[in-house]
Amino acid sequence: NAGVTQTPKFQVLKTGQSMTLQCAQDMNHNSMYWYRQDPGMGLRLIYYSASEGTTDKGEVPNGYNVSRLNKREFSLRLESAAPSQTSVYFCASSDGDSRVSNQPQHFGDGTRLSIL
Amino acid sequence: AQSVTQPDIHITVSEGASLELRCNYSYGATPYLFWYVQSPGQGLQLLLKYFSGDTLVQGIKGFEAEFKRSQSSFNLRKPSVHWSDAAEYFCAVGAPGQAGTALIFGKGTTLSVSS
Repeated sequence: NAGVTQTPKFQVLKTGQSMTLQCAQDMNHNSMYWYRQDPGMGLRLIYYSASEGTTDKGEVPNGYNVSRLNKREFSLRLESAAPSQTSVYFCASSDGDSRVSNQPQHFGDGTRLSIL
Repeated sequence: AQSVTQPDIHITVSEGASLELRCNYSYGATPYLFWYVQSPGQGLQLLLKYFSGDTLVQGIKGFEAEFKRSQSSFNLRKPSVHWSDAAEYFCAVGAPGQAGTALIFGKGTTLSVSS
């Protein structure tokens, strides 16, 4: 019962370095999401993908890019990491079209990213 | 645009006591509503959800929530709290029919359980 798997679990980067966070789901879900979680801010949506081949910006997309590689995988890339991107990143997936938000999202365990 | 507010940042409850966590939403119609729980170092786990119908919904781990349209609220309750319920709780709202909508999360309420 893997569900949503995120790699790596922890990472430390230097300012300016690039990195890709990986996410894969085995539930055959159509929609996938990337959030960041910061203390006192809750979860904020970075990007999402309603279906394979489509991606859209969320609330805080600046400094990030995404790729929906196939139905299972949705990666998040930091091209030039900044200390403000220190956060915990969560990937999630849901069944059905994300425009109909009645399907609950299933979350991975997160990637804890520190940028020095 | 829809939004969700969790007025309490931190709540402490004695073990065995009842619990109510507040959630208020802003949306022009009936939204989809969710409660998630996050244990330290873990992802979010769905506790319960409301789409339509009966306004009192039951979830996992003995939790329930009541949708009150007149108050734009979806408060989470549990009659008797266990020490293992200590975690962070998030209310989330979705807007049916809006293109490109994902869930909007509240900022969370941290629950501490005292013995």
